[in-house]
Amino acid sequence: DGGITQSPKYLFRKEGQNVTLSCEQNLNHDAMYWYRQDPGQGLRLIYYSQIVNDFQKGDIAEGYSVSREKKESFPLTVTSAQKNPTAFYLCASSEGPFYGYTFGSGTRLTVV
Amino acid sequence: DQQVKQNSPSLSVQEGRISILNCDYTNSMFDYFLWYKKYPAEGPTFLISISSIKDKNEDGRFTVFLNKSAKHLSLHIVPSQPGDSAVYFCAASAYSGGSNYKLTFGKGTLLTVNP
Repeated sequence: DGGITQSPKYLFRKEGQNVTLSCEQNLNHDAMYWYRQDPGQGLRLIYYSQIVNDFQKGDIAEGYSVSREKKESFPLTVTSAQKNPTAFYLCASSEGPFYGYTFGSGTRLTVV
Repeated sequence: DQQVKQNSPSLSVQEGRISILNCDYTNSMFDYFLWYKKYPAEGPTFLISISSIKDKNEDGRFTVFLNKSAKHLSLHIVPSQPGDSAVYFCAASAYSGGSNYKLTFGKGTLLTVNP
């Protein structure tokens, strides 16, 4: 079955450490996205990539980094520069305009 | 600057009645609108969408209405069922050509359907 896989589902990180969240899709979608969900804040765009080896900052990119070396993969690194990293992170992909997104099941990151 | 607004954080309705979730937007360039449903600790799932050239789209119990002059859309669920209890996100996009495509989401409305 085609879909998006995010791993791990739960992740704990010590303050000051970088951590990478995985996102893999087998839908053959060109575009991929990372969103963050906080209570009362909805979904906020961190980074997105429309094509391999290219990506753009979203609304809240500070403290995050991404890479897009393969069409299927769009990992997100939460760096120690991110002041409030504890959140629910969602990865999505899209065929393009007017197709909407397909979301992964999310990763809950907790900084301890 | 919030371009997509869902002003009701929560809504409670009785099973069998109509649920109406509202969404307002400020960007007149938005031309495609979607509703997503989300359960806790899961990714959102697509529910229904509407293009700006239409004013209504229906899919089973779900109907989305778009009023472009008022920059307002609404999702109607009839009849509401307890399994509809979830957070509903309104989303919009403004496609300007090329490869730049992304959705802007509202903050969501928590719908509770009581048996």
